[in-house]
Parts: sequence; C-alpha cells; structure tokens
Amino acid sequence: EVQLVESGGGLVQPGGSLRLSCAASGFTFNNWWMSWVRQAPGKGLEWVASIDEDGFKNYYVGSVKGRFTISRDNAKNALYLHMNSLRADDTAVYYCARTKSFDVWGQGTMVTVSS
Amino acid sequence: DVVMTQSPLSLPVTLGQPASISCRSSQSLVYSDGNTYLNWFQQRPGQSPRRLIYKVSNRDSGVPDRFSGSGSGTDFTLKISRVEAEDVGVYYCMQATHWPPFTFGPGTKLDIK
Repeated sequence: EVQLVESGGGLVQPGGSLRLSCAASGFTFNNWWMSWVRQAPGKGLEWVASIDEDGFKNYYVGSVKGRFTISRDNAKNALYLHMNSLRADDTAVYYCARTKSFDVWGQGTMVTVSS
Repeated sequence: DVVMTQSPLSLPVTLGQPASISCRSSQSLVYSDGNTYLNWFQQRPGQSPRRLIYKVSNRDSGVPDRFSGSGSGTDFTLKISRVEAEDVGVYYCMQATHWPPFTFGPGTKLDIK
C-alpha cells in the first residue's frame, strides 16, 4: 500500500524552528518528485515546496523562500521540511504529497506558531 | 502566478441530484507538450485531500464514475451525476502547468440540503 506519514509538528514560538518529516512506503521513493502543501485553520490549500527525485532541484512559494528548506533522504525513504524564522501565519496542517500532481497525500501534521 | 477561481463557493445539493463546480484559470493551462495539467481534489471533513481527477478528465483509481471532469484552456468543470452523502466536503481545482508556484482554487464546499 502506498503510504505517506508525516511527523514533527507541534507548538513553537515565533522566530523558532521545526523540522517536519514524511515517511514514505509502498512505492519506489527515489523515482518520484515530492511536495509539501499546507492548510491554515479553516482555509484552503497552499503549495509550499517541491523537490525532484534526486534532491538537486527544489522550489518554494514566495512566502517561505529563505526560511524553509525541503530535503530528502532516499536511503531512508524520507522527505523533510526544515522551517526557520517561523511566523504566526505559518500555522497550518502540513501535508506531504507525491509528485507534481499530488496523487498521494499523507494525513498531515499540525504546526502552531504562537507565544 | 496563475490565479484559480471557482464557483460557486458553496453548493447545497439534494441527495441524488447532480452537482457542477466551475474552475477558471487566469491563463491557458495547455502545456507545451499538449497536455493540460488541471487536477481536482476532494477533502472530506477531517480528512486529507484526495485527488479525484488529473489532466482535466482522467479519474483516479477508485473514484466513482459519477465524478467527471471536462474543459479546456481556461475553463473547467467537475460534475457529480448523482450526489451521495459521502460526497460532502470541499472540492479544489489545482493547476500544475505553470509552476512554480502550483496554485489551488479557493475551494467549493458541497453539502446536502
């Protein structure tokens, strides 16, 4: 079964850092682009970042450029999102998703930025 | 950036009746390879999004055939031929032609009258 499981969310103060993880299983991880998408409470979906199969190309939405870093470890079938300088408007459920057409999604992990 | 709009934003439907959601993009979604990368997602209450339709009209595995997608260029439609209770949720269109960024529509909330 193809599965994505996120972890690492929690409560963090403004200006703080957090690292999200996404464990992939049931498919050949290093054959696929991977992405992060977030959803603020009661709001719609917002693409955050994507990374290619080898981890050499990465892309970000403008609001997180310079603060967030997407990375992957193909040996561990894992995707990461390193988040620095967190702000209140980063509060959201963060989903990892497979490919550039988002065909498989995880269950999400909640990140709350608040003092 | 490509802006995606949807209408209506709220869609009350009687069980067994059809439903239709419109999605428009601020520029044509036809890619240089001839494909149109327009997807539809369903998000049931309390659940993760699920892709229903890719490249305008291709249903994902396990998606009931009462769901269909159509359209071209900048105008697209998701239709449900007969709404069932399990169809309650929010529906999003998303373009993957002109990225970054990938952009989603604001969502259409479908509920039962």
